[in-house]
Amino acid sequence: DTAVSQTPKYLVTQMGNDKSIKCEQNLGHDTMYWYKQDSKKFLKIMFSYNNKELIINETVPNRFSPKSPDKAHLNLHINSLELGDSAVYFCATEPGAATNEKLFFGSGTQLSVL
Amino acid sequence: QKEVEQNSGPLSVPEGAIASLNCTYSDRVSQSFFWYRQYSGKSPELIMSIYSNGDKEDGRFTAQLNKASQYVSLLIRDSQPSDSATYLCAVNLNTGNQFYFGTGTSLTVIP
Repeated sequence: DTAVSQTPKYLVTQMGNDKSIKCEQNLGHDTMYWYKQDSKKFLKIMFSYNNKELIINETVPNRFSPKSPDKAHLNLHINSLELGDSAVYFCATEPGAATNEKLFFGSGTQLSVL
Repeated sequence: QKEVEQNSGPLSVPEGAIASLNCTYSDRVSQSFFWYRQYSGKSPELIMSIYSNGDKEDGRFTAQLNKASQYVSLLIRDSQPSDSATYLCAVNLNTGNQFYFGTGTSLTVIP
């Protein structure tokens, strides 16, 4: 039973399209993140949610809109996809705010924009 | 984006040698420090966490933290080919919900 699951694992799409990536966790954690990992392996934080409330938005273009319908889900919707959006997107969870515990990662979604 | 820096490598060491990975961070409020290992095509996995100055050992891995110098390192003793991966340093600002990663160091252990 996967703790943090992301779908889809691979996403290939054309420029200008709108797509969504879904993340679900069954750990009961309060905090969820979206990270973007570029081809050089740099993991950049995009968003952080705590109990469905947005905590961090790290200068991400407003084409990216996270949505947390409940504590177990944090989805990422991307409008008007651009070539530079091609990357691996990781969802991650943390037990709670300032717990200083490790992050639990999903398996990643490889997005390719053509 | 809070700044966390690592030597990108690639770092190559022979099997059985010690691999030394370094990380510096810019934000003095950083309180918690982590080393993740990421194999190609996989998600990062935690290998060490350290919260106070000094050394912390776990098997072949030793993390070293110096908050005054804003420096954290990871030593891998008796390196094995299976240690070949990208190693990511991460810091947590301890104010909640703020994990920041370095650019990663690619390590290759040569048999």
